[in-house]
Amino acid sequence: DTEVTQTPKHLVMGMTNKKSLKCEQHMGHRAMYWYKQKAKKPPELMFVYSYEKLSINESVPSRFSPECPNSSLLNLHLHALQPEDSALYLCASSQDPSNNEQFFGPGTRLTVL
Amino acid sequence: KNEVEQSPQNLTAQEGEFITINCSYSVGISALHWLQQHPGGGIVSLFMLSSGKKKHGRLIATINIQEKHSSLHITASHPRDSAVYICAVGGNQFYFGTGTSLTVIP
Repeated sequence: DTEVTQTPKHLVMGMTNKKSLKCEQHMGHRAMYWYKQKAKKPPELMFVYSYEKLSINESVPSRFSPECPNSSLLNLHLHALQPEDSALYLCASSQDPSNNEQFFGPGTRLTVL
Repeated sequence: KNEVEQSPQNLTAQEGEFITINCSYSVGISALHWLQQHPGGGIVSLFMLSSGKKKHGRLIATINIQEKHSSLHITASHPRDSAVYICAVGGNQFYFGTGTSLTVIP
């Protein structure tokens, strides 16, 4: 299994809603990443989890809250988002933080109304 | 200045043409990736390379470590190749290029 899965594929939410994005991999990877991608721009790194611990937070607003319940699963909890947070949210994983072969998921297309 | 520069930004080709996309980087890396992203879609990894050349079907990727340059070639291009191609390099950190938007016209 060399796949990173993400759910949901699409999400529309209001600014007062609370929702979560989910990412899963069963490759035994110990590093997992959240990226945000706006239209026609490259992905921007948000968070890195290394061995289930948050190792990098790229100054992301607290309305985004990551969680890594186990080595296969990565969540991104969303609360009180703004319309400018609408984007494609990509998850990726790699064998460990020093291995740069990242496997990407298909992304969740988020629209904040 | 971006750590990873790609050219061209946009490319339109006729079906069957040979296509080259270039990537130059300014940081030390352990590997370079070529990624493909269809409109509205997720990212697919095409190649990871740290030296030489790799080939997969109609796609060929080369890297020159001394010159800090890589190229992605597509032979006999097809409309389904239309996508954004992103060069990304990994060292201590992962850096993305701004992408090359390719349109192949039938």
